[in-house]
Amino acid sequence: EAQVTQNPRYLITVTGKKLTVTCSQNMNHEYMSWYRQDPGLGLRQIYYSMNVEVTDKGDVPEGYKVSRKEKRNFPLILESPSPNQTSLYFCASSYSGTGELFFGEGSRLTVL
Amino acid sequence: GQNIDQPTEMTATEGAIVQINCTYQTSGFNGLFWYQQHAGEAPTFLSYNVLDGLEEKGRFSSFLSRSKGYSYLLLKELQMKDSASYLCAPQDSGAGSYQLTFGKGTKLSVIP
Repeated sequence: EAQVTQNPRYLITVTGKKLTVTCSQNMNHEYMSWYRQDPGLGLRQIYYSMNVEVTDKGDVPEGYKVSRKEKRNFPLILESPSPNQTSLYFCASSYSGTGELFFGEGSRLTVL
Repeated sequence: GQNIDQPTEMTATEGAIVQINCTYQTSGFNGLFWYQQHAGEAPTFLSYNVLDGLEEKGRFSSFLSRSKGYSYLLLKELQMKDSASYLCAPQDSGAGSYQLTFGKGTKLSVIP
C-alpha cells in the first residue's frame, strides 16, 4: 500500500530535550516536505527536499533541522524544543514536486 | 510569496450545494490544488486545476480563473461526511521550484 509513515504519532516532551520525528514514504517520490498546522494559522511549510541531499527552508524553518540521506526518509529534528513548537506536524511527499501531495497521518507534539 | 483568502467558516444543509471561494496572489503561478481535511486527520487531495475552467469529479467540481486569481470548489448533494475543512493551495512556480502554499482553510459544517 502506497503511504507516508510518520513516527511518533503523539509525543509529550520537555523544553530542550532533542527529538526526531521520522518520515518514510514507499512511493519512490523525489519531493518531500514538512508542515506544521496550528489553529488559525493553517498549514505552514517548515522544510522541503527536492531530492536526496537537496533540502531548503520553507516559511517557518527556525528551530528545526532536516536531512535527506535516502530517498525514502526525511526526518525532522528539533535540537532544543520549545513550547512554541507545540503543534501538529505533517510530512508529505510527491513524485516531482509539481503533483499531488500525499500526507502522513500527522504527529501531535507537545512541548512542556 | 502568496496571499490566499478563503472564508473561515460556512454552514450548509444536507443535500444542498455549496461553493467555497478562494482568491490568491502569487509571484508565479503553476496551478491550484484543493484538499479536504477532516478534524485531526491528514489532508487528502480533491482536485487540481492548471487551465481556466471547470473540472468536474463526481459531486465535487473546481473552477479556476488565472487572470482573476480566483478559484472555487463546488460541492453538490451535500452529505454529513462532507463536514470538514477545505484547503485552497496555489502552486508557486517562482524561484525555480514548485511550492504549495495553503490557505487557512474553510471549515464547512453540514447540518441535517
